[in-house]
Amino acid sequence: DTEVTQTPKHLVMGMTNKKSLKCEQHMGHRAMYWYKQKAKKPPELMFVYSYEKLSINESVPSRFSPECPNSSLLNLHLHALQPEDSALYLCASSQLGTRVDTQYFGPGTRLTVL
Amino acid sequence: KNQVEQSPQSLIILEGKNCTLQCNYTVSPFSNLRWYKQDTGRGPVSLTIMTFSENTKSNGRYTATLDADTKQSSLHITASQLSDSASYICVVSKQTGANNLFFGTGTRLTVIP
Repeated sequence: DTEVTQTPKHLVMGMTNKKSLKCEQHMGHRAMYWYKQKAKKPPELMFVYSYEKLSINESVPSRFSPECPNSSLLNLHLHALQPEDSALYLCASSQLGTRVDTQYFGPGTRLTVL
Repeated sequence: KNQVEQSPQSLIILEGKNCTLQCNYTVSPFSNLRWYKQDTGRGPVSLTIMTFSENTKSNGRYTATLDADTKQSSLHITASQLSDSASYICVVSKQTGANNLFFGTGTRLTVIP
């Protein structure tokens, strides 16, 4: 299984809603990532989990809250988002500990904040 | 400053034609360079990955080259197909750290019949 899965594919939410994005991989990867991508822009790193611990938070607002329940799962909890948070949210995973560490990306969740 | 620049920004070609996309980088210390294909609204898919010692890598109709001395890479697409229409992103890794990827802004390729 060389796949990273993300749910839901699309999400529309109001600014007062609480929702969660989910990401799953079964490749035994020990690092998982959340990226935010606006249209026609490259992905921007938000968070990195290494060995189930948060290792990088790229100064992301607290209305985004990541969670890594186990080595295969990564969640992104959303609360009180703003319309400018509308974007494609990508999850990725990588093995770590190898000389060349390739990130495998999921298909993304298209988020619209009204 | 670690940067990755791609050219052209966008490209339109006829089906069946070849094309070459360019990537220049200043990332140091260099670990590897990858080319990803990203369809609109989808996650990037890895096409090729090259380390310092590799100067060419093929994946079907995609051939990537790397000149680590001049810090340049190219992605050549042969006999283009309509399904090649996508953004192609060059991503360069530094040698250390989990947050060590530097993304180019991509080239938007459109293949027309």
